[in-house]
Amino acid sequence: DTAVSQTPKYLVTQMGNDKSIKCEQNLGHDTMYWYKQDSKKFLKIMFSYNNKELIINETVPNRFSPKSPDKAHLNLHINSLELGDSAVYFCASSQDGVNTLHFGNGTRLTVT
Amino acid sequence: SQKIEQNSEALNIQEGKTATLTCNYTNYSPAYLQWYRQDPGRGPVFLLLIRENEKEKRKERLKVTFDTTLKQSLFHITASQPADSATYLCALDFTGGGNKLTFGTGTQLKVEL
Repeated sequence: DTAVSQTPKYLVTQMGNDKSIKCEQNLGHDTMYWYKQDSKKFLKIMFSYNNKELIINETVPNRFSPKSPDKAHLNLHINSLELGDSAVYFCASSQDGVNTLHFGNGTRLTVT
Repeated sequence: SQKIEQNSEALNIQEGKTATLTCNYTNYSPAYLQWYRQDPGRGPVFLLLIRENEKEKRKERLKVTFDTTLKQSLFHITASQPADSATYLCALDFTGGGNKLTFGTGTQLKVEL
């Protein structure tokens, strides 16, 4: 079983649309993250949730709204998509006290 | 602001040689530094973590060093194999809180037969 799984793997959509990416982890970890990797492969943190509570919000536009229904899930909803939102979005998780990240395999978002 | 620099150019080496990748950072030293491997179309995978009071860490053919005076970490792969070809990312938590890793842009390694 995949430890951190995210869907969909690919997402192609037009500017102005609203879309969601889902993430689930079966590792029993307390903290989940969203990272964005741009075309230059730069991986940057967007959000972090610990036990369903937002702990990091890296000045991401408020068009991006993460939601954590329980500590095993962290979804990302994006409103009014823009061309610059095209990137690969990675979900990750970690266990409290162990600072290594377990990543999903990414969602490639293309906004046309 | 904190910056992390890795060799931006790809590193090509021959099979069997030792690959050495560099990670430099600015400002104050973090409590620990991590290395990840990323294959095309996949998420990064954790390889090694080294703490500020450790000079060197090994795991099988991998070795990491951490020099807080030079603000540098070196990542070595000995007896390299074509299967080691990937992008290698270093990551640091400058906040000390453990939940906010900052990644370098990675170095692409290609091991040729």
